[in-house]
Amino acid sequence: AQSVTQLDSHVSVSEGTPVLLRCNYSSSYSPSLFWYVQHPNKGLQLLLKYTSAATLVKGINGFEAEFKKSETSFHLTKPSAHMSDAAEYFCVVGFSGYSTLTFGKGTMLLVSP
Amino acid sequence: DGGITQSPKYLFRKEGQNVTLSCEQNLNHDAMYWYRQDPGQGLRLIYYSQIVNDFQKGDIAEGYSVSREKKESFPLTVTSAQKNPTAFYLCASSATGGGQETQYFGPGTRLLVL
Repeated sequence: AQSVTQLDSHVSVSEGTPVLLRCNYSSSYSPSLFWYVQHPNKGLQLLLKYTSAATLVKGINGFEAEFKKSETSFHLTKPSAHMSDAAEYFCVVGFSGYSTLTFGKGTMLLVSP
Repeated sequence: DGGITQSPKYLFRKEGQNVTLSCEQNLNHDAMYWYRQDPGQGLRLIYYSQIVNDFQKGDIAEGYSVSREKKESFPLTVTSAQKNPTAFYLCASSATGGGQETQYFGPGTRLLVL
């Protein structure tokens, strides 16, 4: 069965410092992996997607994620946090042969001045 | 502008009442999805449809019903059988419904019980 675990429910950083949001997945198959962002009372917006073309994926707003098969991880990073990055972030996994995606429970990113 | 629209933004339900949430897309996508979001629980799949006039139950379909009479529309009815309907409801679509496709989301509807 496919599953995804976001290791932190909340992450707090100061503006200008690096961001690391952690995600692990479980599967025997090659997954597609996504990161979405959700601002309060809004829908989800795609940040980036991994589909096996390259292990380091660059997304919007300076975010990137690295696929590490040996660690079954897909952590999201950004070198320098901005106040506007404060939001909830979802790691999502999908597999060929399934009809639906599986969502992590989310990580709330708090950015202080 | 291409995208997904949901209406209303806020919806109030009285005890014993059925309410319907609207979802429309103009992306020409075959597949559409309904999710429920509660704090700390992520998104849970209610129903999905990969083609007109066909739909499947997700993980938490009890107390909900859907229809898919048109490609662009996938309304969700929250019935009186759903005892805890207060949540944020998100509609999404994808091109063909494959398990590795990007899903695109609407802005959501917040349902509150009076």
